[in-house]
Amino acid sequence: EPEVTQTPSHQVTQMGQEVILRCVPISNHLYFYWYRQILGQKVEFLVSFYNNEISEKSEIFDDQFSVERPDGSNFTLKIRSTKLEDSAMYFCASSGGRGPEAFFGQGTRLTVV
Amino acid sequence: DQQVKQNSPSLSVQEGRISILNCDYTNSMFDYFLWYKKYPAEGPTFLISISSIKDKNEDGRFTVFLNKSAKHLSLHIVPSQPGDSAVYFCAAVETSGSRLTFGEGTQLTVNP
Repeated sequence: EPEVTQTPSHQVTQMGQEVILRCVPISNHLYFYWYRQILGQKVEFLVSFYNNEISEKSEIFDDQFSVERPDGSNFTLKIRSTKLEDSAMYFCASSGGRGPEAFFGQGTRLTVV
Repeated sequence: DQQVKQNSPSLSVQEGRISILNCDYTNSMFDYFLWYKKYPAEGPTFLISISSIKDKNEDGRFTVFLNKSAKHLSLHIVPSQPGDSAVYFCAAVETSGSRLTFGEGTQLTVNP
């Protein structure tokens, strides 16, 4: 069964450093998303991406965040200068576009120290 | 942001009985609703969804009911199995949108 894969599973970084989280969405999907879940809180939407551009972003997704689809398979989330409060599970998701059902990867746990 | 609310943080049921998970929403623009299941250290797994033009959708042991006038939906699992033990999230999508707005989640424990 096709699945969304994310790497790495766990990333530890120093405050102020840049991190890139990587995702391979399901191959025939057209919509790509990043969500995050801070420990003990809700899963929160960050950004959606369609047709090589951002289609929607939340207030969390400020200038420190960027997304890219550098080739036909990868979808990345970059955080330019990490803060302690960026520590969270980051989930990549994709959907085929026929309905809003999104399929999630296993997540990357980002720890900023 | 309390647009989607799951008021019960936890629910415990006996194997073979029915599990009923509840979700309320406030945003009238939501017109599609989804349930996800999440095990520790994994991402949410899609379970079942319902459009606002329906009031019920069934898939095997899982049934979702939607009461639009009450802005309430519920997920019924019958019969419940120990492998169903997980956190269940409801999520909602606005008309012509794709952003999922999640509830807080309910930890379901099914006891053998």
